[in-house]
Amino acid sequence: AQTVTQSQPEMSVQEAETVTLSCTYDTSENNYYLFWYKQPPSRQMILVIRQEAYKQQNATENRFSVNFQKAAKSFSLKISDSQLGDTAMYFCAFMKLRGRNTGKLIFGQGTTLQVKP
Amino acid sequence: DVKVTQSSRYLVKRTGEKVFLECVQDMDHENMFWYRQDPGLGLRLIYFSYDVKMKEKGDIPEGYSVSREKKERFSLILESASTNQTSMYLCASSLLSLDGKQFFGPGTRLTVL
Repeated sequence: AQTVTQSQPEMSVQEAETVTLSCTYDTSENNYYLFWYKQPPSRQMILVIRQEAYKQQNATENRFSVNFQKAAKSFSLKISDSQLGDTAMYFCAFMKLRGRNTGKLIFGQGTTLQVKP
Repeated sequence: DVKVTQSSRYLVKRTGEKVFLECVQDMDHENMFWYRQDPGLGLRLIYFSYDVKMKEKGDIPEGYSVSREKKERFSLILESASTNQTSMYLCASSLLSLDGKQFFGPGTRLTVL
């Protein structure tokens, strides 16, 4: 079974600085997707970024980028120029693309990030 | 933008009551999901549906059932609520089964006394 682990329950960063959130996962699959979702306080969860495992290039969305290390099964999220609006809980998620449980997201425990002014 | 709405933001029920949580999406998405979110455990999938009248168990279906009579609506039912079902419940929908891009509702915080 696949598992996703976020070992940092809470983190903080000063506004305008850079922060990296860690995520590791366990799978025997070769093809899968990885995601970071963001859940702001009292607001709906939204997708931040997606990485396809077959792509070597790290995904980037504006100030958000990932460091995908397939062999190490590591998938970290880097937030550059942190803004107060980045304060949220961040979830790492895994999805396999074939076989049983295809299409289901498996989430990590979450990391609460606070951006300080 | 996709809009996913849930019938209640906060709900308080008594042990043994039958509880209905409703979710509606307005973008004609095929796929709908129910999760529960607990501190330190992240999100866990309860049930999901890939089509009207179709349902599949997720990772923690015990004590829950679902209904999808119309494409836009997915209901979660707690047949006999128990205190260990106190949690945040999130509904989500997606257009495609295999892209992982899910759109979430605001959540229902359910307390069972």
